[in-house]
Amino acid sequence: DIQMTQSPSSLSASVGDRVTITCRASQSISGYLNWYQQKSGQAPKFLIYGASILQSGVPSRFSGSGSGTDFTLTISSLQPEDFATYYCQQTYSTPLTFGGGTKVDFK
Amino acid sequence: EVQLVESGGGLVQPGRSLRLSCRTSGFTFGDFAMSWFRQAPGKGPEWLGFIRSTPYGGTAEYAASVERRFTISRDDSKSIAYLQMNSLKSEDTAIYYCTRDHKRTVYWGQGTLVTVSS
Repeated sequence: DIQMTQSPSSLSASVGDRVTITCRASQSISGYLNWYQQKSGQAPKFLIYGASILQSGVPSRFSGSGSGTDFTLTISSLQPEDFATYYCQQTYSTPLTFGGGTKVDFK
Repeated sequence: EVQLVESGGGLVQPGRSLRLSCRTSGFTFGDFAMSWFRQAPGKGPEWLGFIRSTPYGGTAEYAASVERRFTISRDDSKSIAYLQMNSLKSEDTAIYYCTRDHKRTVYWGQGTLVTVSS
């Protein structure tokens, strides 16, 4: 199975901050990486696929990059509605696996 | 509007079975694979498996943790996906979600809670 490691596991930030979350795969997954946002009591929300392709309707302050084993999710200017937990997920091969999550909360 | 609604969750004793349903609308069900995920309390999402669309064989793949106990099926005539869960264990306690598609899982249901406890 492909292991996905996210860092940091949590971070504190303020509105307007630039936030970067890293996801590393245990082997190359090319660009088969999704990013999700999840708020308490809600299902995960699909943000990015193909490592860098923004799902329709997702604000442009979100961006993704990377290929192979190292990936990044960046929020260019954190907004109040962005405080949530973020997960990466590889879709290169089954079983599809998730990172451990990064909780973004108020500084 | 695409909608997915899970049902069938509840409190069940260890060793018993439960079947979850995922009723869908707003898209041509038969054209899409369907997936199931779960999320245990305080944990991240876990992929359980998916079933291909009927034109692609309608076959399923599973996570090793559930492969011998869980079965995913579909009824294209009713636009419903199912998750049959047998020999349930306490560690199966989670919110169970169905999603449209296999890799680009844009649409999720609201989830149904399964609690396995005596």
